[in-house]
Amino acid sequence: SQTIHQWPATLVQPVGSPLSLECTVEGTSNPNLYWYRQAAGRGLQLLFYSVGIGQISSEVPQNLSASRPQDRQFILSSKKLLLSDSGFYLCAWSDDMGLGYSNQPQHFGDGTRLSIL
Amino acid sequence: QKEVEQNSGPLSVPEGAIASLNCTYSDRVSQSFFWYRQYSGKSPELIMSIYSNGDKEDGRFTAQLNKASQYVSLLIRDSQPSDSATYLCAVIHPGGFKTIFGAGTRLFVKA
Repeated sequence: SQTIHQWPATLVQPVGSPLSLECTVEGTSNPNLYWYRQAAGRGLQLLFYSVGIGQISSEVPQNLSASRPQDRQFILSSKKLLLSDSGFYLCAWSDDMGLGYSNQPQHFGDGTRLSIL
Repeated sequence: QKEVEQNSGPLSVPEGAIASLNCTYSDRVSQSFFWYRQYSGKSPELIMSIYSNGDKEDGRFTAQLNKASQYVSLLIRDSQPSDSATYLCAVIHPGGFKTIFGAGTRLFVKA
């Protein structure tokens, strides 16, 4: 069965510090991968998605970046964190059915709660 | 108009009652629809997928889809306090790889 691992679970960082959040998926190949942010009491904001190694689509221009160095690894980074970067960061995956588009549900990791001080 | 709209609630029902959660979507050609449950402080968990008009039942959950009315609903029978959570409606953006999530409806089941 497929599993998704996301770490760390919680993170407290000072303003201006760098960030690296990692997500890996097991039990599937060539998944579609997604990074979301959820502010307290708010909905899901799609940040990035990837349909293959090295392929990154950015949804929101900001000081975050994403990379996919391996098929089942997705990394969210920042060079300098802002106070507004606080939130609950979620990685998700969905099956790629080779259709050229997605019709499968996304499955989420446990998330990283990021606090910026 | 938001692409996926849900009543934010809170929806409060007594234990044992049927909870009815509703969702409308704007893109008429959407084909894939999902319901997620999110407990406070946790990540969303998929509970139902539905692709065809009509009803789909899984245990105490029934998803209903009406593409002509662009309407998706989730019924929870015999509601339990453990069903208290935020329920997210999600629709895949046609022809692409993105899923559009509603803002969610908060459900409280009173013991």
